[in-house]
Amino acid sequence: AQSVTQLDSHVSVSEGTPVLLRCNYSSSYSPSLFWYVQHPNKGLQLLLKYTSAATLVKGINGFEAEFKKSETSFHLTKPSAHMSDAAEYFCVVNVDQGGKLIFGQGTELSVKP
Amino acid sequence: KAGVTQTPRYLIKTRGQQVTLSCSPISGHRSVSWYQQTPGQGLQFLFEYFSETQRNKGNFPGRFSGRQFSNSRSEMNVSTLELGDSALYLCASSLGLAGGRATDTQYFGPGTRLTVL
Repeated sequence: AQSVTQLDSHVSVSEGTPVLLRCNYSSSYSPSLFWYVQHPNKGLQLLLKYTSAATLVKGINGFEAEFKKSETSFHLTKPSAHMSDAAEYFCVVNVDQGGKLIFGQGTELSVKP
Repeated sequence: KAGVTQTPRYLIKTRGQQVTLSCSPISGHRSVSWYQQTPGQGLQFLFEYFSETQRNKGNFPGRFSGRQFSNSRSEMNVSTLELGDSALYLCASSLGLAGGRATDTQYFGPGTRLTVL
């Protein structure tokens, strides 16, 4: 069965410092993986997706993620945090090649001035 | 291109009532999926509709149902509401292409906040 584990429920960084949000997945075959962001009282916005092309995926707002099959990881990074990055981030796997997404429990990112 | 729209944005109901939520997908998208978001359970998949047919279903009781119309708009219905149904209900649309379902990207609406008293 496919599953996603986000290793940190909350991450706090200072503005201008790097961001690392960790995600491990479990899948019986090559998965499609996504990172979504949710700002308070808003819907989910797609940051980036991995679909078995390049293992290093670049997304919007300076975020990127690297797919590592040997480690079953798909960590999200950003070189320099901005105050507007404060939000909840979800690592997501596509299940059974179909329309069902499995979400991690989310990581709340706080950015201190 | 307009995004996914959901109506209403907020609803307050009492236990035992039923509720209908609506979702209009992005133009050209034929797949609509529904998710429930709660603080305790996180985001959980309810069901997916494609071309007016339910194509995928999550592990929710039969009180949760949905349908899709010929214009791809979708409705979700919850009957006999329980306190635990209080949640943010999110709708997502995608192209839903059969050959590309693994890479199909879902775009989410702002959600409907349902409160059951």
